[in-house]
Amino acid sequence: AQSVAQPEDQVNVAEGNPLTVKCTYSVSGNPYLFWYVQYPNRGLQFLLKYITGDNLVKGSYGFEAEFNKSQTSFHLKKPSALVSDSALYFCAVRGATGGFKTIFGAGTRLFVKA
Amino acid sequence: GAVVSQHPSRVICKSGTSVKIECRSLDFQATTMFWYRQFPKKSLMLMATSNEGSKATYEQGVEKDKFLINHASLTLSTLTVTSAHPEDSSFYICSASPGQGARGYGYTFGSGTRLTVV
Repeated sequence: AQSVAQPEDQVNVAEGNPLTVKCTYSVSGNPYLFWYVQYPNRGLQFLLKYITGDNLVKGSYGFEAEFNKSQTSFHLKKPSALVSDSALYFCAVRGATGGFKTIFGAGTRLFVKA
Repeated sequence: GAVVSQHPSRVICKSGTSVKIECRSLDFQATTMFWYRQFPKKSLMLMATSNEGSKATYEQGVEKDKFLINHASLTLSTLTVTSAHPEDSSFYICSASPGQGARGYGYTFGSGTRLTVV
């Protein structure tokens, strides 16, 4: 069965510092991995995805994520955090089976302090 | 491109009444749409997969008779919460993938509907 783990319920970072939001996954076959961001009382916004190719994926708003097959991880990163990055971040995975179904992690709340 | 419109954004209803939430793909056709429920400080729970022209596929534990899903066209799916109760109060979100069968496409989400049952 597919599963996604976001081990940190909350991440606190000072503005200007690098940030990392962790994600590990478990799927059958090659994974399709996604990161989404959610602002208060809003739907989710797509940030980036890994399908195949380069393990380092660049996405919206300066975010990037690194796919690590051996560690089954897909951590979200940004070199320099902004206060406006404060939001709820979801990692998601879609496996080779299960049709369109995408499994979401529990979410990690990011607080960036000025 | 790839916009999903969800309506209403907020609704308050009395206990025992029904509420309909609409999800429209504005600039693409979606044979498949998804309905999620989000609890406070919790992740998204997939409720059902809405299939155009056929019955929805519900996740385990989701009451089919309570959460009626209709996918009448390639651009519209509706979720009706029947005989709503306070415990149904939640944030409901729909999504669709413009890539249809292409697994590499991410989802586009509606802006969500905050349902409050009083």
